Amino acid sequence: ILNVEQSPQSLHVQEGDSTNFTCSFPSSNFYALHWYRWETAKSPEALFVMTLNGDEKKKGRISATLNTKEGYSYLYIKGSQPEDSATYLCAQRGSQGNLIFGKGTKLSVKP
Amino acid sequence: NAGVMQNPRHLVRRRGQEARLRCSPMKGHSHVYWYRQLPEEGLKFMVYLQKENIIDESGMPKERFSAEFPKEGPSILRIQQVVRGDSAAYFCASSPPPVETQTQYFGPGTRLLVL
Repeated sequence: ILNVEQSPQSLHVQEGDSTNFTCSFPSSNFYALHWYRWETAKSPEALFVMTLNGDEKKKGRISATLNTKEGYSYLYIKGSQPEDSATYLCAQRGSQGNLIFGKGTKLSVKP
Repeated sequence: NAGVMQNPRHLVRRRGQEARLRCSPMKGHSHVYWYRQLPEEGLKFMVYLQKENIIDESGMPKERFSAEFPKEGPSILRIQQVVRGDSAAYFCASSPPPVETQTQYFGPGTRLLVL
């Protein structure tokens, strides 16, 4: 059984702060790791899909790294803005293609 | 290219009634996944379907729940004889043939409330 953990559960930062969250997952039978951004009452929005150990991906001020050997991924947000406030989800792809989600990190950015 | 569509967005049912949730995948996507978010919990996988086939239903309760993705039309998640514990947000996602790098694109969800 795969178990994906995210920390912290919630985070409050000031506008302009840089921040990062952690996603940990079982390192055996790894297929892919997905990051999503989820605003209340909207659809989860795909940010990154990462497959290779050492992968680094970037989208604007958001970037992510992947370590499949030790089973963790970091998501970084540089210079947080109020519009970055959302829940950030990571999910590990299972063998049949389904995603196993963590519970998310809820980010609040104060102006 | 329209995104993943789900309807209805909100559904209220009384205990014992049936709930039908619909999901239209993105154009060109032949794979659909259903996930459920119970109150205070994360998204949990329920079922994965291709056109006319169930690939993996390991996350779906054995009784009262069924899913289909016909050759024509949307995917349907059907819950018979709903109980209060079925109250949740139900999301579907779609993707092209799944290789490791394929993103799953999510719909806005259907929020089911069982009275």
